[in-house]
Amino acid sequence: SAVISQKPSRDICQRGTSLTIQCQVDSQVTMMFWYRQQPGQSLTLIATANQGSEATYESGFVIDKFPISRPNLTFSTLTVSNMSPEDSSIYLCSVLRDRGTEAFFGQGTRLTVV
Amino acid sequence: QQQVKQSPQSLIVQKGGISIINCAYENTAFDYFPWYQQFPGKGPALLIAIRPDVSEKKEGRFTISFNKSAKQFSLHIMDSQPGDSATYFCAASIESNTGKLIFGQGTTLQVKP
Repeated sequence: SAVISQKPSRDICQRGTSLTIQCQVDSQVTMMFWYRQQPGQSLTLIATANQGSEATYESGFVIDKFPISRPNLTFSTLTVSNMSPEDSSIYLCSVLRDRGTEAFFGQGTRLTVV
Repeated sequence: QQQVKQSPQSLIVQKGGISIINCAYENTAFDYFPWYQQFPGKGPALLIAIRPDVSEKKEGRFTISFNKSAKQFSLHIMDSQPGDSATYFCAASIESNTGKLIFGQGTTLQVKP
């Protein structure tokens, strides 16, 4: 298994502000991912966080809105920028252990934008 | 072509009954099909997964049935228990990157005592 810690676990933010979510893993992993889960909805991949290079974004997600950092093999941050109520979601960090196939998820960050 | 369609959206089953959740996909490049279980306030956790070279995989009370020609797969929960009450997601990915998952819409299962 993998121990994944996300901070904060929840937050209520004003529209127009930004929030940075942290993801810490208990061991080094090559592959880290960020997902969004809108209220009552499924999970959608935002981007792959690449260590030492720019993140790879999925269709519909852009770096200016969701900048991602990956300074080392155990840590990543996702920033939700210039927030609007439509950004209210659960944001989840996920990792794939090297040579593994199972994706592990953090407990998520529940963001409410008012 | 990247979608995974899941049904039903919600399911109520009596304790001891069989819960069945179905998924269908379009992209024939998918070759890894996991099921995730999610409890409120928690992240999803892998329940069971299958690759298309087998038609069925069983782990305890959980069974995946896979129909490659129909591009469908399903989760069967035998002897359903109240503790199984959760949201279940099917997903699909390409084996070369099983962290990049395309999720179904989710099924909320309630098992009544």
